[in-house]
Parts: sequence; structure tokens; C-alpha cells
Amino acid sequence: TQLLEQSPQFLSIQEGENLTVYCNSSSVFSSLQWYRQEPGEGPVLLVTVVTGGEVKKLKRLTFQFGDARKDSSLHITAAQPGDTGLYLCAGARFSGGYNKLIFGAGTRLAVHP
Amino acid sequence: DAGVIQSPRHEVTEMGQEVTLRCKPISGHNSLFWYRQTMMRGLELLIYFNNNVPIDDSGMPEDRFSAKMPNASFSTLKIQPSEPRDSAVYFCASRQEYNEQFFGPGTRLTVL
Repeated sequence: TQLLEQSPQFLSIQEGENLTVYCNSSSVFSSLQWYRQEPGEGPVLLVTVVTGGEVKKLKRLTFQFGDARKDSSLHITAAQPGDTGLYLCAGARFSGGYNKLIFGAGTRLAVHP
Repeated sequence: DAGVIQSPRHEVTEMGQEVTLRCKPISGHNSLFWYRQTMMRGLELLIYFNNNVPIDDSGMPEDRFSAKMPNASFSTLKIQPSEPRDSAVYFCASRQEYNEQFFGPGTRLTVL
């Protein structure tokens, strides 16, 4: 059972469409990170959100941390083929004396021209 | 900086063989992580080193897995003996203190 549930698992859309990806948990996290991973590469950090209710924008990407710090969403406006990839959320929990990252299974996004 | 370097990028081996994966973290980073990624289980932390000392190895699946960090610029993850269920992409990541983790390109392991 995943501690962090991401939905949807797969998303295939046309260029110009908007989309939202969700990351949900029953656990509270001290912070939450979003990564994008392209084929044959490691995940690359997009953003870290720390405060409940926090909203961060990165060009066409908008990230929100839930008020209770248990969930998060990623909204992409006017998606482009370059947005194609695996989007991972990761929650930080203090465990064993350090902030451990727990990753969701990811949402695989394909944006078609 | 070249980023986190992992080798080999691809490894195909037969069940029962020993496999050694290598990682060179970014210079100056004092924390190193080994992760495993599969379709079924996603990205899982195997082991975390801080200043070359293993801090959390609770994610290491079983005694067949071992990891070492003899110095600040090199780490290995060894599987002996390997099994087909070990097939996955193994990532190494490093960071400086509590800053961003930088991931390497991964090693795709296939155990036949």
C-alpha cells in the first residue's frame, strides 16, 4: 500500500489542454516536493511546498499544498509536448533522526502535438 | 560539475550472480541515498549515508543487499546473489546538508 497515492496514474492529452494531478495521503508531512522524471534519467526537483495552503507557481505549473499538509496538487495550464514525463510527489517525514522522503508511484503524462 | 555519476547504466546478469552498482556523488555533498524504482512499488529508499556513515538502512530488502561508502566520493550497492525480482532501476542521489537531492541517471538492472 502506497503511503502517498497519486492520481491519475496515466494521462494522455492534446497540446493546449489544462490538467491537474493529485497527491493524497492520510499522513501529515513537514513538506512536500514535486519532481519530473524523463525516460532514462533521474527525477528532477520542480518545487518544495512547506506551509499548509501554500501555492507556488512555476511558469505554467501551479502547485498547492493542502491546508492539513496531507495532500497536494499540480495544475498545468496549456500543456506542451515538453511537459511529457513522469511526475512524482514526495512527502518529507521526520523518521530515524532525519527528514525521510516518501515517494508516490507517479503520474505518467503524455502531451501530444 | 558533472552531477551524480552512476555506473554501469545498464546491467544484465543471470540469477545467482553478484552485481555491483557504483555511484560518485556531487563533490561537496555530504549525504548520499540509494533508491530502487519499479512499476509496482515506485521509488523506494534503500539506504541513506551521512558523512559516509550509514544512517538508515531500513529499506534494504534483505541480507543479499549491502552498501558501502568508503569515502566521500564513492559508494557501492552490491547484490549477492541476485534474483529476477531484483530487476529495477537503481538511483543514487546526493545533497548538501538539507538542501535539494540531485539524482543520478540510474542503473537499469535486469536479472534473468
